[in-house]
Amino acid sequence: AIWMTQSPSLLSASTGDRVTISCRMSQGISSYLAWYQQKPGKAPELLIYAASTLQSGVPSRFSGSGSGTDFTLTISCLQSEDFATYYCQQYYSFPPIFGGGTKVEIK
Amino acid sequence: EVQLVQSGAEVKKPGESLKISCKGSGYSFTSYWIGWVRQMPGKGLEWMGIIYPGDSDTRYSPSFQGQVTISADKSISTAYLQWSSLKASDTAMYYCARPKEPTTAALLDYWGQGTLVTVSS
Repeated sequence: AIWMTQSPSLLSASTGDRVTISCRMSQGISSYLAWYQQKPGKAPELLIYAASTLQSGVPSRFSGSGSGTDFTLTISCLQSEDFATYYCQQYYSFPPIFGGGTKVEIK
Repeated sequence: EVQLVQSGAEVKKPGESLKISCKGSGYSFTSYWIGWVRQMPGKGLEWMGIIYPGDSDTRYSPSFQGQVTISADKSISTAYLQWSSLKASDTAMYYCARPKEPTTAALLDYWGQGTLVTVSS
């Protein structure tokens, strides 16, 4: 099975900041990586898939990069509605596990 | 409009059985996998398993194999997650979700609202 390490688990930031979240795989997964956003009390929402493709309707301040084993989610200019928890997920092989999550909180 | 509507919250005692549901609408139910994801209180997302309602092909994450049963009734466009004997550790929010495309079973695009299962004596 593939293992993944998502970091940091907690990120304190201010509105307007540029933030970066990392996801590292135990083996290469090409670009079969997705990022989800989850707000308290809500179901997760797909943000990015194929490592860097923005889901329809997702603001362009979100971007994804990477391939193989190292991936990054970047929010270029943090907005108030972006304070949430973010999860990476590999869908290269079964089981398609999620990362441990990164909570982005207000500094 | 694609929608997944899950059954309501449940409160059960340890040892009891339970079956929760997820009804799909707005798309061809038999053409897309349906996945189940667990979220324990204050914790992250865990992939449980998926089912293809067209032929009932089912895959379980090793962590959940033998612990739950995933099924579907395509005649009523509904997927199910069931337990034969609940434990307190099954207390969690359970989400069903549909992938973005028929060929990418694990890339979840549409999510149900979640079903909260509480197991307590």
